[in-house]
Amino acid sequence: AQSVSQHNHHVILSEAASLELGCNYSYGGTVNLFWYVQYPGQHLQLLLKYFSGDPLVKGIKGFEAEFIKSKFSFNLRKPSVQWSDTAEYFCAVNPYGGSQGNLIFGKGTKLSVKP
Amino acid sequence: DTEVTQTPKHLVMGMTNKKSLKCEQHMGHRAMYWYKQKAKKPPELMFVYSYEKLSINESVPSRFSPECPNSSLLNLHLHALQPEDSALYLCASSQQRRGNQETQYFGPGTRLLVL
Repeated sequence: AQSVSQHNHHVILSEAASLELGCNYSYGGTVNLFWYVQYPGQHLQLLLKYFSGDPLVKGIKGFEAEFIKSKFSFNLRKPSVQWSDTAEYFCAVNPYGGSQGNLIFGKGTKLSVKP
Repeated sequence: DTEVTQTPKHLVMGMTNKKSLKCEQHMGHRAMYWYKQKAKKPPELMFVYSYEKLSINESVPSRFSPECPNSSLLNLHLHALQPEDSALYLCASSQQRRGNQETQYFGPGTRLLVL
């Protein structure tokens, strides 16, 4: 079955630390990849997405992600986190050619940034 | 503008009540979605509408009844719910373009409590 794995359940960092959140998926075909963020009490917001082309994609708020096809990975990175980055981060995959709306979410990673 | 609005923000209902959740977007998107998100879990797809027609029902119980009156509106009618149906109900929309390069934009959700 298609699945999305996020390795870290809860990550705790101090401000200015670097961040990398792991995401792996099990689908073998072409995929569309997304990272969404959910700030406390707020709705899911799109951070960045990958459809094709340059595997290093840049998103909002200084986030970037790298698609490594051979590793079925789409890890999220930020060089220096801020307290305001405290949120839940979800990786999501839409298998290309899959049924419409087939957006598969990982279980999420809670990021806590200490001021 | 990537705004999806949902009303109400909060809803408390008894198991014998009938209520409706509403979702609206004015981005010209032709696909709309309902997701259910339990606490500390990822969103789970419930229904997908494409061009106002129901295209996916992820085996959702009949006590949840979706409706798409027009391309901008999506309703979720609730009847005889159970306490375990308490969750955050998210609406999303996407453009419905060729090639399956769809990006879903989420509303803030309706937090439902069933007593």
